[in-house]
This record gives sequence, structure tokens and C-alpha cells, in this order.
Amino acid sequence: DAGVIQSPRHEVTEMGQEVTLRCKPISGHDYLFWYRQTMMRGLELLIYFNNNVPIDDSGMPEDRFSAKMPNASFSTLKIQPSEPRDSAVYFCASTMLGELFFGEGSRLTVL
Amino acid sequence: AQSVTQLDSQVPVFEEAPVELRCNYSSSVSVYLFWYVQYPNQGLQLLLKYLSGSTLVESINGFEAEFNKSQTSFHLRKPSVHISDTAEYFCAVTTMDSSYKLIFGSGTRLLVRP
Repeated sequence: DAGVIQSPRHEVTEMGQEVTLRCKPISGHDYLFWYRQTMMRGLELLIYFNNNVPIDDSGMPEDRFSAKMPNASFSTLKIQPSEPRDSAVYFCASTMLGELFFGEGSRLTVL
Repeated sequence: AQSVTQLDSQVPVFEEAPVELRCNYSSSVSVYLFWYVQYPNQGLQLLLKYLSGSTLVESINGFEAEFNKSQTSFHLRKPSVHISDTAEYFCAVTTMDSSYKLIFGSGTRLLVRP
């Protein structure tokens, strides 16, 4: 298996623009997590899904953030409009039996 | 709610020396504990985990951690480190009823010097 696949690996955008991050979990995994990593706040859980259904989105910082999982093999995290403080590395992770497998992350820079 | 504390933000050590990275957790229910490692510009990789049974767990590359319920700790140790062990190490906790939702500590940067 190719592991958790995230795209893009790097994104540089200007404040106010829409950003969409994508994730393909490992086939067969029924949980998917979105984390954000910054120097100041460390690793923060934003939202997670079970069988494509959002279970807990309490970590989503603002209404500007939204996440979807239209099917078992694809999820998106969208930021609209983006702001400089959204700059971070966003990780997607999936699991079936408890061990989280992480993607390599999407590094977002908002100018 | 659960929480994880990693008191040391950075641990410098010379190659072939022993190292201990500290992790303490807080939870009112039984926990599962993990150590993840992150190399530069990469995602996190599972190093070892405690789910049940023996309180001493080991990884394939020489790390070990011991679950101490009375001290609510899960410290990571290695008797002799290599340059290649330089990375960020994260302790994480979850519970049986948390749907595998991991709560991470702030991380400890292990810096191995020649």
C-alpha cells in the first residue's frame, strides 16, 4: 500500500484566497483524522471521520475551516478565506485498529 | 479529558550515550499510550505503543518505554543513541472510548551529537 497520500505537499497563497488540501487514506481504514502542526501550538486535532461521517469537529478553529469526506478514499480540508495565521503543516492520518498512519503533510504558507 | 506533558522541549546528547525522554499523562480512565517519531519534513511514524499486558514495550530500533500507572508516566529510553536518532519525538494518549482520537504532547527534539 502507498500509505496516506496528501496533496499538495507545499502551498503558498495570498491572504483571502481559498485553500483546499486533499487526503487519500489507506484502503480499508475507517477512521480519518486531520491535524495541524505549528511551532506555537504543536499538533492539534482539527476533525475526524468514522466511515466517512464527521464525528468530532470541535478542533476546527473557525467557520472558515471545513472538511468533507465524500467517500472512503478521499477527504478534503478547505480554508476560505485563508489568513496568515493559518500557516502550518496540515497532516492527514488514518487508522483501522488504533495505530495512526500519517501522510507527509501539506505545508501551507499564507502571505 | 486526557492530556500529555512532555517537559523537555529539547534533549541534546552525545552519540552512544543513553537517553530518556519524559512523558506524563493525565486521564481518569484507562489509557493507551504511544510514542511517535517525526524526521524533518516528514509525517509522524509510530515508534512503539502500550495497549495492555507487559508494561515494558520495545521498538525494533532499540527504543523502549515503560508504562507506570502509579506515576502516570510513559518515558522513552534508549541505552545508546545514534546520529540517525535525531528527530522530534511525540508522546500520545487515547482511551478505549475515544475512537482512536490521539492527544499529543508538545514534542521533544532529540539532538544527537557526534
